[in-house]
Amino acid sequence: EDQVTQSPEALRLQEGESSSLNCSYTVSGLRGLFWYRQDPGKGPEFLFTLYSAGEEKEKERLKATLTKKESFLHITAPKPEDSATYLCAVLPYSGTYKYIFGTGTRLKVLA
Amino acid sequence: NAGVTQTPKFQVLKTGQSMTLQCAQDMNHNSMYWYRQDPGMGLRLIYYSASEGTTDKGEVPNGYNVSRLNKREFSLRLESAAPSQTSVYFCATSGTEVNRNQPQHFGDGTRLSIL
Repeated sequence: EDQVTQSPEALRLQEGESSSLNCSYTVSGLRGLFWYRQDPGKGPEFLFTLYSAGEEKEKERLKATLTKKESFLHITAPKPEDSATYLCAVLPYSGTYKYIFGTGTRLKVLA
Repeated sequence: NAGVTQTPKFQVLKTGQSMTLQCAQDMNHNSMYWYRQDPGMGLRLIYYSASEGTTDKGEVPNGYNVSRLNKREFSLRLESAAPSQTSVYFCATSGTEVNRNQPQHFGDGTRLSIL
């Protein structure tokens, strides 16, 4: 069964304290892996797409990487405005285009 | 450029009442989705439409119906609302004719309470 697991469930960081969020996945084949940011009261906002192992994408303080079994979202020198829930989703090879989401990591960055 | 628009943003219903949640997109995407998001459960797929005229059940379809009115619009109907359907509902879209392996784009949700 296709599955996505995110860890940790919650993370508190001091401003400037770098860390990584993990997204482990089990799928028969991967069309793509996607990272989203979700702020309270809002819909998920797209951050990155990764298609193949070894691929990396970077935007400001965020960097996403992909292996054959997991993806990491690295946050370098975070700021309080990076506080949000980060969601990971995979699009597996199947007869349909149904995305599978993890339950997210709630990140809180303290000033 | 509005992207994905959901209406209403908030709604309170009594058990047994019916209502329709509306979703419209101007992104020219083929696929549209309805999810519900509950604390600790993540996003769960209710129904999905790969293209105009087609719909398919997701993980939690019971108690819901959908209509893909045209390429732009996808509605979700609760025929007889139950307290268990209290949730935040998100509409999402993805995929063009050229590339279907794209990220989804989400609306800002409808917050629905069933009393």
